[in-house]
Amino acid sequence: DAGVIQSPRHEVTEMGQEVTLRCKPISGHNSLFWYRQTMMRGLELLIYFNNNVPIDDSGMPEDRFSAKMPNASFSTLKIQPSEPRDSAVYFCASSFLVRFALGQGARGNQPQHFGDGTRLSIL
Amino acid sequence: AQSVAQPEDQVNVAEGNPLTVKCTYSVSGNPYLFWYVQYPNRGLQFLLKYITGDNLVKGSYGFEAEFNKSQTSFHLKKPSALVSDSALYFCAVLFTGGGNKLTFGTGTQLKVEL
Repeated sequence: DAGVIQSPRHEVTEMGQEVTLRCKPISGHNSLFWYRQTMMRGLELLIYFNNNVPIDDSGMPEDRFSAKMPNASFSTLKIQPSEPRDSAVYFCASSFLVRFALGQGARGNQPQHFGDGTRLSIL
Repeated sequence: AQSVAQPEDQVNVAEGNPLTVKCTYSVSGNPYLFWYVQYPNRGLQFLLKYITGDNLVKGSYGFEAEFNKSQTSFHLKKPSALVSDSALYFCAVLFTGGGNKLTFGTGTQLKVEL
């Protein structure tokens, strides 16, 4: 089975440029998460989607960041314009959420599966 | 608000010795707890989870974790460490507000030496 696929693996660009990070979740998963990891702030959740709908974007740093999930097999995280402080490793993760209506609650949730990340450097 | 704490930035242990990576949590209601491992230049990998049931949870690569409700802890353990276990370990708790959002700890770097 293919895992979560992220592209590109590395991106180096100059400040002010638009950056688009891509993610293909595991087939059949209905939840998708975008994280950012830095030495200073550790692992931060930026936004997550359930069934392609954004549920919580409280972690998105500012309006320069936007994320979309046009279908169940693709998501993008865009930074426009980019700044040096956006340099980080960005991870996408996916999982399968069992609806509470089935009576399992959180017990039915499956672990998140992470991609190998995009290492972004803004010069 | 819920949170997890990993009090040690780094843990050093000799190969063959038992290892423990500590995690404490703070949540309202029943906690759903996870351990993940991250190797260099890779994403996080799931090791094990506690949802309910036995307090000792067994996971991948010979790891296990002990849930202790009175101490609000969920320490990761392995009876005999390997050099290949050297990695960054994260404890996480499931957000109790619904869905499957996780709150991660700050991570503990495990170094296993010969």
